[in-house]
Amino acid sequence: AQSVTQLGSHVSVSEGALVLLRCNYSSSVPPYLFWYVQYPNQGLQLLLKYTTGATLVKGINGFEAEFKKSETSFHLTKPSAHMSDAAEYFCAVTFTGGGNKLTFGTGTQLKVEL
Amino acid sequence: GAGVSQSPSNKVTEKGKDVELRCDPISGHTALYWYRQSLGQGLEFLIYFQGNSAPDKSGLPSDRFSAERTGGSVSTLTIQRTQQEDSAVYLCASSPSGDGWDEQFFGPGTRLTVL
Repeated sequence: AQSVTQLGSHVSVSEGALVLLRCNYSSSVPPYLFWYVQYPNQGLQLLLKYTTGATLVKGINGFEAEFKKSETSFHLTKPSAHMSDAAEYFCAVTFTGGGNKLTFGTGTQLKVEL
Repeated sequence: GAGVSQSPSNKVTEKGKDVELRCDPISGHTALYWYRQSLGQGLEFLIYFQGNSAPDKSGLPSDRFSAERTGGSVSTLTIQRTQQEDSAVYLCASSPSGDGWDEQFFGPGTRLTVL
């Protein structure tokens, strides 16, 4: 079965520190990979996506993610955290030939401390 | 331009009542999706529309749940005989074509509370 795993339901970093949110997927076919962010009481907003081509993908607000097929991973990073980055982050996939419904990970709540 | 809108933003109902949730997608988007977000189950897919047809209804949890889309635009999710476990935030999304690589644009959600 195809699935998405996000390690760490809560991550806390200091302002200015590196942000690393982990995502692994399980699939027998090539995936399309997405990171969405959800600010409090708001809908989901796309940060970035990988479809084909360059495996390092840059998104909004300084975030980037690298697709590593050998590790079946798509970890999200940001070099320097801002207070405004505090939100919940969801990794999601669709699968080639699997329709286009998003399968989400369980989410990671990011806390940024002074 | 306008994003995806949903109404109502909040709905409180009594167990056993029927509810209707509405989604207005981005104009011109042929694909529309319903998802449910709850503490116990996370974010889960409910149903997908391409135009007015629903080729994937695999996520609807029971026959109490139904949805329709008219004019290739507005969609309504109906829950009959609501149960407490139906309490969740119901999210609607739309995308230009429904291809797997398309970004899905999400609405703000309808928070449903069943007493």
